[in-house]
Amino acid sequence: SQTIHQWPATLVQPVGSPLSLECTVEGTSNPNLYWYRQAAGRGLQLLFYSVGIGQISSEVPQNLSASRPQDRQFILSSKKLLLSDSGFYLCAWSVLLRDEQFFGPGTRLTVL
Amino acid sequence: AQTVTQSQPEMSVQEAETVTLSCTYDTSESDYYLFWYKQPPSRQMILVIRQEAYKQQNATENRFSVNFQKAAKSFSLKISDSQLGDAAMYFCALNTGTASKLTFGTGTRLQVTL
Repeated sequence: SQTIHQWPATLVQPVGSPLSLECTVEGTSNPNLYWYRQAAGRGLQLLFYSVGIGQISSEVPQNLSASRPQDRQFILSSKKLLLSDSGFYLCAWSVLLRDEQFFGPGTRLTVL
Repeated sequence: AQTVTQSQPEMSVQEAETVTLSCTYDTSESDYYLFWYKQPPSRQMILVIRQEAYKQQNATENRFSVNFQKAAKSFSLKISDSQLGDAAMYFCALNTGTASKLTFGTGTRLQVTL
C-alpha cells in the first residue's frame, strides 16, 4: 500500500531564516505531487505541483520554492521566511491529475 | 475559473441521526471529479467519497452518500447514523484536470452531540 510521509511535524522558525520541508511517498512510482498551505480556519491553497522529476509548476507567486530531486521526494523551501509564511503545510500525491489526492500528516510552521 | 462554495460554516447533529452538508460548485468543464474530504483535529485530510461527473449514480461509501445534481452544480454529503468520530471539518473539492489542482470550499465544521 502507498504511504506518504512529511517532516518535521512541527517547526518554529524566526523571520528571515531558511526553510526546508520534506515529503516522500512510498509504494508507488511516478506520482503527481502537490504542496498545499492551509491558513487557520481556511481551506487549502495549492502552492506547487509536480508531474515528474525536476518538473515544478507554481500556482501563486510567493516567497517559497519547490523541488523534486527524486521520483518520490518533494521539497518545499524558502531562503528567508516571512511572518505570512506561517500555516499548516500539506503534501499530497495522486496517480492522475484529475483524480483524488492523498494527503500526508502535514507540518505546522510558525514564523516568529 | 473553478469555484466551490460551502454555505454552512457549522452544523450539528445528534449521535445516530442523519445530517446533510451542502456544496455547490462552478466550472465550465464537462468532465470533472468531486470529492468530500474530512479533516479531524489531527488536521490530516482524509478522503471520504468521490464522484465522477459522467456517472449519474450517486456514490456511496458505507454511512456516507452524496446527492449529485449535475445540472444544478450541487454536491451534498449525507452522513447516516452519525458517530462521535464523524466530528471534523468537511471540505468539498472539485478537480477538472485541466486546472491540475483541487479547488476546495471553505469547509463545514460538524459537531456530533450525545
